[in-house]
Amino acid sequence: GQQLNQSPQSMFIQEGEDVSMNCTSSSIFNTWLWYKQDPGEGPVLLIALYKAGELTSNGRLTAQFGITRKDSFLNISASIPSDVGIYFCAGHESGGSNYKLTFGKGTLLTVNP
Amino acid sequence: DTAVSQTPKYLVTQMGNDKSIKCEQNLGHDTMYWYKQDSKKFLKIMFSYNNKELIINETVPNRFSPKSPDKAHLNLHINSLELGDSAVYFCASSQFGGSNQPQHFGDGTRLSIL
Repeated sequence: GQQLNQSPQSMFIQEGEDVSMNCTSSSIFNTWLWYKQDPGEGPVLLIALYKAGELTSNGRLTAQFGITRKDSFLNISASIPSDVGIYFCAGHESGGSNYKLTFGKGTLLTVNP
Repeated sequence: DTAVSQTPKYLVTQMGNDKSIKCEQNLGHDTMYWYKQDSKKFLKIMFSYNNKELIINETVPNRFSPKSPDKAHLNLHINSLELGDSAVYFCASSQFGGSNQPQHFGDGTRLSIL
């Protein structure tokens, strides 16, 4: 099945810095979703994107649905220690099941106070 | 208050045993899912039920059998557990509608096979 290429695999940053991560695919997606997973918990939805070019913010987080529908990015501004966790991109592939989410392999974010 | 709840949170058992994991959602969603997250944190869909009907069945050993008594519950039974079954299993749910709805996850069941 389709794989999502998520990068970077991990990031080590200082508190206060901005962060950017992205996800690409070789095929078109109808939705792009960004989740965060804290240790010992399940993924929590951060932002959902439904249209090409859509730019959506959730507090210090901003995500965009790429115009080609084959990519998405997530930016975190002014990072804080509680931003630590694994960030996953996910999406519904065009022509695939409306129920099947494909996930990226995650970006592990570490924030040094 | 919990939207998607799974039990148990931890499950430690011997190889060859049979075990079940339960999942319930109080979001009023029609569709529920089981995912497996391996040691590298990769999330892979296993099954999905919409209103008690199986709609996704990925390549999963037939030792794994999902059961949905109603649309708010989706249980996972695993027969003859093997070492490779050790993982975190997540339940999730979403609205029906065929419109690519986001999925909401439970906190996972950590299965360890001795």
